[in-house]
Amino acid sequence: ILNVEQSPQSLHVQEGDSTNFTCSFPSSNFYALHWYRWETAKSPEALFVMTLNGDEKKKGRISATLNTKEGYSYLYIKGSQPEDSATYLCAFSGGSNYKLTFGKGTLLTVNP
Amino acid sequence: DAGVTQSPTHLIKTRGQQVTLRCSPKSGHDTVSWYQQALGQGPQFIFQYYEEEERQRGNFPDRFSGHQFPNYSSELNVNALLLGDSALYLCASHSGTAKNIQYFGAGTRLSVL
Repeated sequence: ILNVEQSPQSLHVQEGDSTNFTCSFPSSNFYALHWYRWETAKSPEALFVMTLNGDEKKKGRISATLNTKEGYSYLYIKGSQPEDSATYLCAFSGGSNYKLTFGKGTLLTVNP
Repeated sequence: DAGVTQSPTHLIKTRGQQVTLRCSPKSGHDTVSWYQQALGQGPQFIFQYYEEEERQRGNFPDRFSGHQFPNYSSELNVNALLLGDSALYLCASHSGTAKNIQYFGAGTRLSVL
């Protein structure tokens, strides 16, 4: 059974704060790690797909890093804005699997 | 370009009934996956269809079945509904491997009474 763990479960920050969350996944048989941003009543929006150890990706104020040897990825948000409020999901793909195994997500609330 | 579309948006059924959910993939995508998201959980993989065949299946009973049509659209069927089948059902599409972005629809909310 693959376990993908995300922490914290929820987070409240003030507008302008920078924040980060963690995704832990099995370190063996790694294939890809996906990050999604999911606002209520909308479709999950793909942020990053990361495949190589040491990968760093950036999209505006959001960035992510990947460590496949120790099995974790960090997502960073710089200068949080209220519109960043959403659930952030990570999903792991291993070996020849085609499926994504998701964590439970981190619910971010940014207060104005 | 329309993204992934799912229908219906909401559905209410009673125990023992059968339900069919539909998904149209993003243009150019040939692979469709279905996920179930129960309250408080992350999305759980049900199965994936490619070239009209079930390519991989998650830990779901045979009551869950699917189909992919030549135009790559897909259906998820659930028979003999249980209360525990109440969930948000998400469809995702992509082409190629799991290293490529999977695009999700907004889901179908199924309530079983």
